[in-house]
Amino acid sequence: EVQLLESGGGLVQPGESLRLSCAASGFTFTDYAMGWVRQAPGKGLEWVSVISGSGTSTYYADSVKGRFTISKDKYRNTLSLQMNSLRAEDTAVYYCAKAGGSYLYWYFDLWGRGTLVSVSS
Amino acid sequence: DIQMTQSPSTLSASVGDRVTITCRASENINNWLAWYQQKPEKAPKLLIHKASALENGVPSRFSGTGSGTEFTLTINSLQPDDFATYYCQQYNSPWTFGQGTKVEIK
Repeated sequence: EVQLLESGGGLVQPGESLRLSCAASGFTFTDYAMGWVRQAPGKGLEWVSVISGSGTSTYYADSVKGRFTISKDKYRNTLSLQMNSLRAEDTAVYYCAKAGGSYLYWYFDLWGRGTLVSVSS
Repeated sequence: DIQMTQSPSTLSASVGDRVTITCRASENINNWLAWYQQKPEKAPKLLIHKASALENGVPSRFSGTGSGTEFTLTINSLQPDDFATYYCQQYNSPWTFGQGTKVEIK
């Protein structure tokens, strides 16, 4: 079965770090770009970061550039998002998503259930 | 960055109605547009990509049209399962979502 399962969310204080993981199964992990999309409470969707299938190219929204790092572990079929210097405005449900489409023209055709990140003092 | 504007923000409709949601891009995105459905406390689900290509398993009452800067999602004969929030997303450069359209029961 094709699925994505996120983990690692939780409550942290401003300035702290958190690492999210997404376990992928049912498809060839290195064949597909992957991404993180977040949704603040009661708000819309915001793309956070995308990584190419090979893992060699990464892209970040301006709101997280320099603070977040996306990576792929092809041996464990796991997508990760290292989040540093967290701010209150980073509070959101973070979804892991598999990309469809062609290089750089990626939409998201499979989503995980999401993991909640809360940043508060 | 390319801005995506959906209208309306909220839409009240009845079962059996035909519903149309519009999404406008701030610049030309060709047909690099996707539509998603999201129900409360659930992950988004891809409905349509490349403006009009229906994803496998999505009912044929959903359809998408448009190119350039103006796009529409139409739901023919609205069903109880269709009450949800719908988002458009451009993937021309880089990736931007519309603010969402909530389809609620009239």
